[in-house]
Amino acid sequence: GQQVMQIPQYQHVQEGEDFTTYCNSSTTLSNIQWYKQRPGGHPVFLIQLVKSGEVKKQKRLTFQFGEAKKNSSLHITATQTTDVGTYFCACSYSGAGSYQLTFGKGTKLSVIP
Amino acid sequence: GAVVSQHPSWVICKSGTSVKIECRSLDFQATTMFWYRQFPKQSLMLMATSNEGSKATYEQGVEKDKFLINHASLTLSTLTVTSAHPEDSSFYICSARRTMTTGELFFGEGSRLTVL
Repeated sequence: GQQVMQIPQYQHVQEGEDFTTYCNSSTTLSNIQWYKQRPGGHPVFLIQLVKSGEVKKQKRLTFQFGEAKKNSSLHITATQTTDVGTYFCACSYSGAGSYQLTFGKGTKLSVIP
Repeated sequence: GAVVSQHPSWVICKSGTSVKIECRSLDFQATTMFWYRQFPKQSLMLMATSNEGSKATYEQGVEKDKFLINHASLTLSTLTVTSAHPEDSSFYICSARRTMTTGELFFGEGSRLTVL
């Protein structure tokens, strides 16, 4: 079956430092989504990447989809305390059950003011 | 954006009782909803896919008789934890999509179940 690995599991950064989380799939993806879950909250959709090599930006957040559509990254420039939370990648595969998403284990980001 | 409402937000119950959690899509029709379980500091584990008007599809290892799912209408799915035990204590979250197969998931606020 499909396996999704997300690293690192935890990341502590000083406010103002950059942060990156990586998501890797054992098989080719149809598309990938990223979600953010604040402490005590529920996951909130950030973005969806569909095309090979796609790069999307949202203010200080940069999302990349690998050329082989097997990996993705989320990069935050100059972190702020509001960036605190757990970031999940969610992978979609072609074929049966393609409407389902397989979530990575998440990267919990702590920002030290 | 679309809103998915989940109720109750938290519930405490005695061992052996059953607990029902509701998931509603407030401004769109959801033919498919998903139920997840999340342990502390862990990821979302898909429990089952709830299909309106038909039986839910359960993931491997999830007991159908333990976690009853009913998707009676296009805007409501319920998860009933039957004969709850302390090991069932967890954070349960539902989600839904506007479209059948693609697009973002809208998550409910989650329900924290504590079984004494």
